[in-house]
Amino acid sequence: AQSVTQLGSHVSVSEGALVLLRCNYSSSVPPYLFWYVQYPNQGLQLLLKYTTGATLVKGINGFEAEFKKSETSFHLTKPSAHMSDAAEYFCAVKERSGGYQKVTFGTGTKLQVIP
Amino acid sequence: NAGVTQTPKFQVLKTGQSMTLQCAQDMNHEYMSWYRQDPGMGLRLIHYSVGAGITDQGEVPNGYNVSRSTTEDFPLRLLSAAPSQTSVYFCASSSGGPQHFGDGTRLSIL
Repeated sequence: AQSVTQLGSHVSVSEGALVLLRCNYSSSVPPYLFWYVQYPNQGLQLLLKYTTGATLVKGINGFEAEFKKSETSFHLTKPSAHMSDAAEYFCAVKERSGGYQKVTFGTGTKLQVIP
Repeated sequence: NAGVTQTPKFQVLKTGQSMTLQCAQDMNHEYMSWYRQDPGMGLRLIHYSVGAGITDQGEVPNGYNVSRSTTEDFPLRLLSAAPSQTSVYFCASSSGGPQHFGDGTRLSIL
């Protein structure tokens, strides 16, 4: 069984500061990992994904995440926060297996950016 | 491209009423899913489909039915609405990679 833990339901950073959103997962097989962003009254949009290969993954809007197998982590970072980054962020895991694979989402982290 | 389209965007129901939430995708994706989003609980899978004519239950299927007669459409039916079903519902589709989400249906049950 797979699961996702996002530490911190709310994170506040100052504009221009480093953004760090934490995600740890458990999976019985090597996983696919995703970060999604949700703006108010909208659906989820894919930020970035890890499937295979390079463990440092770059996404849209300057975000990146690093897959660390030994730590079972996939933390999301951005060097300098912008006001437009204020949103809710979801980490998700999908196990690699044949056929349909269900996606498990974390409970989300709301990012507040303070001017 | 429309992507994933959900209708209606908002709905208020009385307890016991039934209704259908519509979901359509124009990307020819074989996989479609319905989630509900509640504060502090992330997204929970209600039902999913791996192709036309094939559906299965997710994590929280009670009180909901689905069918998939075409690749494009995947409606979600509330059989007898209950206040516990007040939530935001999202439909998603994929071809096996990352999912594409609709903008959601905000449903209130009084």
